[in-house]
Amino acid sequence: AQSVTQLDSHVSVSEGTPVLLRCNYSSSYSPSLFWYVQHPNKGLQLLLKYTSAATLVKGINGFEAEFKKSETSFHLTKPSAHMSDAAEYFCVVSSYGGSQGNLIFGKGTKLSVKP
Amino acid sequence: DVKVTQSSRYLVKRTGEKVFLECVQDMDHENMFWYRQDPGLGLRLIYFSYDVKMKEKGDIPEGYSVSREKKERFSLILESASTNQTSMYLCASSPLQAGDLETQYFGPGTRLLVL
Repeated sequence: AQSVTQLDSHVSVSEGTPVLLRCNYSSSYSPSLFWYVQHPNKGLQLLLKYTSAATLVKGINGFEAEFKKSETSFHLTKPSAHMSDAAEYFCVVSSYGGSQGNLIFGKGTKLSVKP
Repeated sequence: DVKVTQSSRYLVKRTGEKVFLECVQDMDHENMFWYRQDPGLGLRLIYFSYDVKMKEKGDIPEGYSVSREKKERFSLILESASTNQTSMYLCASSPLQAGDLETQYFGPGTRLLVL
């Protein structure tokens, strides 16, 4: 069965410093992995996705994530945080195995950005 | 742009009432999903549908039912609302085509309070 663990429920950084949001996954076959972002009172928006092509995936707003099979990790990074990055971030793994593209969500990491 | 709309942003209902949450997507997507989102628990799948009049249970279907009479519309029904169904409800849709099967597009959510 597939699962995903976000290692931090809350991360706080200063504006202009790097962002690292950690995610580990478990999957019995080659997974598809995603990061979604949810700004306050908004729906979820896809940041980036990995589907077995390049292991370094670039997304919107300067975010990127690296798929590391040996570490079963898919950490999200950004070199320099902006105030507008303050949001909740969800690491997601696909649950292929018969279902129609269902996704399994991590519990979320709240990112705070201090001026 | 894909647009997923939900009928209400905020809803207040009383225990025992029958509640309908409506979701409409305008991109002719085959798959539609209902999630609930609770703090610290991430998103949990309630029901999904991969075609008109088809439905499948997700991880937490108890106390809910769904209806999909038209391709663009997916309704979530709380037959007899209870206080433990107070939550944020998110609708999503995705296309059924190779390469983009798993990317889900989310509505803004309905925050339901059951008194």
